Amino acid sequence: AQKVTQAQTEISVVEKEDVTLDCVYETRDTTYYLFWYKQPPSGELVFLIRRNSFDEQNEISGRYSWNFQKSTSSFNFTITASQVVDSAVYFCALSAKGNSGYSTLTFGKGTMLLVSP
Amino acid sequence: DTEVTQTPKHLVMGMTNKKSLKCEQHMGHRAMYWYKQKAKKPPELMFVYSYEKLSINESVPSRFSPECPNSSLLNLHLHALQPEDSALYLCASSQESHAGGQETQYFGPGTRLLVL
Repeated sequence: AQKVTQAQTEISVVEKEDVTLDCVYETRDTTYYLFWYKQPPSGELVFLIRRNSFDEQNEISGRYSWNFQKSTSSFNFTITASQVVDSAVYFCALSAKGNSGYSTLTFGKGTMLLVSP
Repeated sequence: DTEVTQTPKHLVMGMTNKKSLKCEQHMGHRAMYWYKQKAKKPPELMFVYSYEKLSINESVPSRFSPECPNSSLLNLHLHALQPEDSALYLCASSQESHAGGQETQYFGPGTRLLVL
């Protein structure tokens, strides 16, 4: 069974603050993939990043960075110098080839980020 | 282009109505998905189509009937829904669904459904 835990339900910050969203996962598969999606109030889930279980390099994309640590089964997401437009629900998700042979996403419960001016 | 389109954006229907949700992608993806998302919850998988064949049905009630007319289109036919079926319905697509989990799913904007 696979599980993704996002312990932070809501986070509120003031613009320009840095914020880290936590994600902890559980899986018995040795090959798996981790994702982050952003869901603004409009509803669309926007893909942000995919990371495979064999690549523990951190990644930076503009103000976004991701820290993957296999030893602690964590895949945390940091937004530097947050902006109001970053306000959204952020989902961490895990994908592996299940017993059915098909890949499905297991989502965490999401973290709502509110950035105020 | 990673665009998945969904129509309509909003839908209000009575419990005796029949309606359909539509999803379209032109990325050449061979896997398509329907998800249901209630407020303040993560998306829940309903159906997976792989190469136009239904691969996964997550024990969804028969009042939801999926259809994949071709590799670019995915429909969800609705009949005799209940008020608790009110939710955001999201469509997604990926290159394939057999690739061991590596495929990124790209989501559409969703249809907000209200059942009265």
